Amino acid sequence: GAVVSQHPSRVICKSGTSVKIECRSLDFQATTMFWYRQFPKQSLMLMATSNEGSKATYEQGVEKDKFLINHASLTLSTLTVTSAHPEDSSFYICSANDAGAGYGYTFGSGTRLTVV
Amino acid sequence: GNSVTQMEGPVTLSEEAFLTINCTYTATGYPSLFWYVQYPGEGLQLLLKATKADDKGSNKGFEATYRKETTSFHLEKGSVQVSDSAVYFCALSGSAGGTSYGKLTFGQGTILTVHP
Repeated sequence: GAVVSQHPSRVICKSGTSVKIECRSLDFQATTMFWYRQFPKQSLMLMATSNEGSKATYEQGVEKDKFLINHASLTLSTLTVTSAHPEDSSFYICSANDAGAGYGYTFGSGTRLTVV
Repeated sequence: GNSVTQMEGPVTLSEEAFLTINCTYTATGYPSLFWYVQYPGEGLQLLLKATKADDKGSNKGFEATYRKETTSFHLEKGSVQVSDSAVYFCALSGSAGGTSYGKLTFGQGTILTVHP
């Protein structure tokens, strides 16, 4: 089945630094990937839609200059949290749709970001 | 906009008990409906889905039927196991051609704990 690999699974960084999270579709091409954020004991909120070869589309309230998204190829999207602050600590998850699998979204395993 | 409402948790059951997790939605057009499961420390996995009214999704003993008349997609399992302990999310994706097509809107999640 469709597999989405997300890396790293856990990262701890200092305030003010930047962190890059990768999301790869391993056995299919994804022109669109999605980035979600999950706060502890809460649901997932869509942050942005990553579009291959063009700018990402951000949801209302999400700072595009803080959460940089790059979708340079059909199998890779990256989310960079710039100038991280403790309030950015969260669980970030990407997803992609393998159209050949019949309209099912495959999620990465998530990245636990802790900013200290 | 689209929204998903799940029954409040947590839900605690004994092994072999019957499980129901209620899910209702608000959406325009003809959304697709999904149930995802998240095990501790992991990302989301697609459990089952339904793309049109009266469709029944099923997987691993879990079932849910897309009821357009009641805008519901309740998750059921006849006999739960300890290994079913996880967080369950109901979600919808907007219909093709709409502005929310491809984007998942999640319910708040329901924590299920099954005791031996």
